[in-house]
Amino acid sequence: DAMVIQNPRYQVTQFGKPVTLSCSQTLNHNVMYWYQQKSSQAPKLLFHYYDKDFNNEADTPDNFQSRRPNTSFCFLDIRSPGLGDAAMYLCATSHLQTGIRSQPQHFGDGTRLSIL
Amino acid sequence: SQQGEEDPQALSIQEGENATMNCSYKTSINNLQWYRQNSGRGLVHLILIRSNEREKHSGRLRVTLDTSKKSSSLLITASRAADTASYFCAAAYSGGSNYKLTFGKGTLLTVNP
Repeated sequence: DAMVIQNPRYQVTQFGKPVTLSCSQTLNHNVMYWYQQKSSQAPKLLFHYYDKDFNNEADTPDNFQSRRPNTSFCFLDIRSPGLGDAAMYLCATSHLQTGIRSQPQHFGDGTRLSIL
Repeated sequence: SQQGEEDPQALSIQEGENATMNCSYKTSINNLQWYRQNSGRGLVHLILIRSNEREKHSGRLRVTLDTSKKSSSLLITASRAADTASYFCAAAYSGGSNYKLTFGKGTLLTVNP
């Protein structure tokens, strides 16, 4: 089945130690998103790629970066994680087509990041 | 912030009852979407309603949209214990990137057997 896969499901890192979360998709969608979701809160968009074009949200900390080496993969890099970065990180995809406004987003099951 | 509000924040009902969740948003939208999230999992898309639509059905789900009040509601009929989850509305706002979504704070639905 076509899907969005996030690895690992759980990640533990130390305060200040860089960490990378990964996302892959078999849907061949042209947009990939990264969200941060803290406990009992709404998902908050960090950034997204439309094809190779990177779009950062204005309030996303500089500590967060992303890479999309090809259509299928997208990475979230946290350069120096702080305690406040402990959260669930969700990857999502959608496919934008000319003349069709907005499409549903397809989510992975997330990576829960803990900071020691 | 354009983040919408949902109410109630939590809803507990008995199996077989109907559940209604409401969502408000800030400015004009292209469409509004509803998602479900089981504990510890990702979000699953349920239904999308466009700004020129007023009501949409999918199985036991019924969504309404009132653009004059900037609000939407999700009705789940004949609820089941398996419907226990958090439900989020998400607005695709007009102007700018209409493929970005702004999520509401969600309603935690508990369906008791």
